[in-house]
Amino acid sequence: EPEVTQTPSHQVTQMGQEVILRCVPISNHLYFYWYRQILGQKVEFLVSFYNNEISEKSEIFDDQFSVERPDGSNFTLKIRSTKLEDSAMYFCASQSRGQETQYFGPGTRLLVL
Amino acid sequence: RKEVEQDPGPFNVPEGATVAFNCTYSNSASQSFFWYRQDCRKEPKLLMSVYSSGNEDGRFTAQLNRASQYISLLIRDSKLSDSATYLCVVDDGGSYIPTFGRGTSLIVHP
Repeated sequence: EPEVTQTPSHQVTQMGQEVILRCVPISNHLYFYWYRQILGQKVEFLVSFYNNEISEKSEIFDDQFSVERPDGSNFTLKIRSTKLEDSAMYFCASQSRGQETQYFGPGTRLLVL
Repeated sequence: RKEVEQDPGPFNVPEGATVAFNCTYSNSASQSFFWYRQDCRKEPKLLMSVYSSGNEDGRFTAQLNRASQYISLLIRDSKLSDSATYLCVVDDGGSYIPTFGRGTSLIVHP
């Protein structure tokens, strides 16, 4: 069964550094998402992406964040100048046209020290 | 502020029991409703969508009450493998921005 993959599984970084989280969505999917989940808290929507542009974004997704689909397979989330409170699990998800189901990747656990 | 509220639990039930969770939402314009399952430190996985007419998938039944703005999930004949956190997800009614509840923890014991 096809699945969403994410790399790295864990990332430790120093405050102020930039990180890039990578996702490979399911190959025929057209809609892509990033979510985050701070430990012990709820899953929060960050951004959705379709047709090579952002379609929706939440209040959390400010200028510190950016997304890109640099080629036909990868979907990345860049976090600039990381803060302690960026420590969380970041999930990528993808969805095909006409389907309700979003398929989540296993997540990247980011720790900012 | 658009809220999705769930009883965090945990609901601790024996195998074979029937258990029900509710989730309330504040945005009356919401159109799409889902239940997801999340195992510890894993990604959420869609359990089922919730339709106005209610829907059933094996041991799982989901209901929507628009008047009172809540959705429910009923699990019959609980299995040990049902132990997980159940997340309620509601859209914002305009563009599709999903709001997750904090989840209800279910523990099924032998």
